[in-house]
Amino acid sequence: SQTIHQWPATLVQPVGSPLSLECTVEGTSNPNLYWYRQAAGRGLQLLFYSVGIGQISSEVPQNLSASRPQDRQFILSSKKLLLSDSGFYLCAWSEDRLGLRSGEQYFGPGTRLTVT
Amino acid sequence: AQKITQTQPGMFVQEKEAVTLDCTYDTSDPSYGLFWYKQPSSGEMIFLIYQGSYDQQNATEGRYSLNFQKARKSANLVISASQLGDSAMYFCAMREAAGFGNEKLTFGTGTRLTIIP
Repeated sequence: SQTIHQWPATLVQPVGSPLSLECTVEGTSNPNLYWYRQAAGRGLQLLFYSVGIGQISSEVPQNLSASRPQDRQFILSSKKLLLSDSGFYLCAWSEDRLGLRSGEQYFGPGTRLTVT
Repeated sequence: AQKITQTQPGMFVQEKEAVTLDCTYDTSDPSYGLFWYKQPSSGEMIFLIYQGSYDQQNATEGRYSLNFQKARKSANLVISASQLGDSAMYFCAMREAAGFGNEKLTFGTGTRLTIIP
């Protein structure tokens, strides 16, 4: 069966410090990978998605970047954190398949980031 | 314009009653998919149910059913016989332009459901 891991679970970082959040998926190959951010009491905002190694698409201009160094590894980074980067970060994966039933995404446990 | 609209920020329902969570969507793509996710206080997003735009019948998964009214562009989630464990945030989401690995979901703002014992 497939599992998705995220770490760390919680993180408190000062403004201006760097950030690295990691997401890995097990039990599947060539998944589509996604990073979302959820502000307190709000819905999910798609930040980045990737359909393959080294292939990253950005949905919104921001202080963050993403990389996919391996097939099942997705990393969210920042060189200098802003207060507005605080939130709950969720990684998700979906199967790389065509068809009308595609699109179901499976989420990791999330990382709660507080920038102070 | 909002692609996914959930007009109920919060709902309180008596245990064992049925509850309907509203979701309307906006798309010009004839091929799309609609999803409902549950987010408990732990934060994890749990997939509940899926409805494809070409599906003839409403989707059902156990106590969850999706009331899909295509002409009205609504995809309401119905939970029968609610339980205390159903208390959570519920998100409606839509996938447009399926295929070729580009399967992005757009989420609504969510409804916080509280089940009262």
